[in-house]
Amino acid sequence: KQEVTQIPAALSVPEGENLVLNCSFTDSAIYNLQWFRQDPGKGLTSLLLIQSSQREQTSGRLNASLDKSSGRSTLYIAASQPGDSATYLCAVKSGNNRLAFGKGNQVVVIP
Amino acid sequence: NAGVMQNPRHLVRRRGQEARLRCSPMKGHSHVYWYRQLPEEGLKFMVYLQKENIIDESGMPKERFSAEFPKEGPSILRIQQVVRGDSAAYFCASSRFEQPQETQYFGPGTRLLVL
Repeated sequence: KQEVTQIPAALSVPEGENLVLNCSFTDSAIYNLQWFRQDPGKGLTSLLLIQSSQREQTSGRLNASLDKSSGRSTLYIAASQPGDSATYLCAVKSGNNRLAFGKGNQVVVIP
Repeated sequence: NAGVMQNPRHLVRRRGQEARLRCSPMKGHSHVYWYRQLPEEGLKFMVYLQKENIIDESGMPKERFSAEFPKEGPSILRIQQVVRGDSAAYFCASSRFEQPQETQYFGPGTRLLVL
């Protein structure tokens, strides 16, 4: 059974600092890994999708890396802004076509 | 191309009533997935359906919960005789194909509150 862990569960950073969010998973036989953003009471917004054959994906200030063999992914957000305050979810897809989610990293960027 | 649509967005039920949650997948998508997010918990897989077929319901409670995806119309997640522990956000996702590399696109969710 795939288990996904996200550390830290919550963090606060001053505006302008870089954010580093970690995700680990127990079964390295994955097809892809996806990072989502969730605002309070809202749905999920897909940020980055990394296929198992890739090592990283970039979109604007966001960069996600994947080390499948060690079961880890890191989401970097450069030059954080107050609008980046949200919960960030990591999800991996294994052979049964379902996504396994972590509990999320709750981020507050302080102006 | 509209995204995944879910309705209602908020649903309040009293204990013992039935809850019906609807999900319309993106146009051209024939695969639907339901996930549940309990308070302070991560999203958990419930059920995976294709048109007129349940492919994987291993994450769905055996009693009171059922799901369908008819040939015409939205997918329905039905919860009978709701209890307070059913209060959660229920998310639907859809994909075009079955291939594992395919992205699942999520709807805005239905927030169920059981009084």
